[in-house]
Amino acid sequence: EDKVVQSPLSLVVHEGDTVTLNCSYEVTNFRSLLWYKQEKKAPTFLFMLTSSGIEKKSGRLSSILDKKELFSILNITATQTGDSAVYLCAVESQGGKLIFGQGTELSVKP
Amino acid sequence: EAGVAQSPRYKIIEKRQSVAFWCNPISGHATLYWYQQILGQGPKLLIQFQNNGVVDDSQLPKDRFSAERLKGVDSTLKIQPAKLEDSAVYLCASSLFRGRSDTEAFFGQGTRLTVV
Repeated sequence: EDKVVQSPLSLVVHEGDTVTLNCSYEVTNFRSLLWYKQEKKAPTFLFMLTSSGIEKKSGRLSSILDKKELFSILNITATQTGDSAVYLCAVESQGGKLIFGQGTELSVKP
Repeated sequence: EAGVAQSPRYKIIEKRQSVAFWCNPISGHATLYWYQQILGQGPKLLIQFQNNGVVDDSQLPKDRFSAERLKGVDSTLKIQPAKLEDSAVYLCASSLFRGRSDTEAFFGQGTRLTVV
């Protein structure tokens, strides 16, 4: 059975800290891995990763995929209170099926 | 560009009643998904449409849940009869094209269902 596992499930940090969120997967017919941010409403798209070892970066957020070890990490540097959210990892398999992990709830304290 | 529209935003019903949710995807998006997100968990795929055909409904509880996507655009998800454990946020998402690895899914605001 396809599965996506995220860790940690929750995390509390202070502003300015750097955090690393983990996502591991066991999915047949892997096509891509996606990261979303969810703030009590619709998940909003952050990154899509398809190739190993190529870092994607957007401001203070970056992500990388390791297709050999079947995992991805999402890094957030110099965290701000506005980064507080649930971060969801999803893997797309053949046919466009999206399988989500449980999410990591990040809380950034001032 | 207009996003994915869902209605209603909130719904409270008694167990054994029926309820329907509506989703209008982004114009031109061929793939439409319905997800169930129980508090504290990640979204769980209920059904995936490609145009008006079903691609995957393996996790849809078909004894009580049904979904359709007439004319390959809008979609409705129905629960009949509802159970307490159906309390969740129901998210609709759409993406441009099945089979491409460079298109992400866009989500609606969701419908928060409470079954009492």
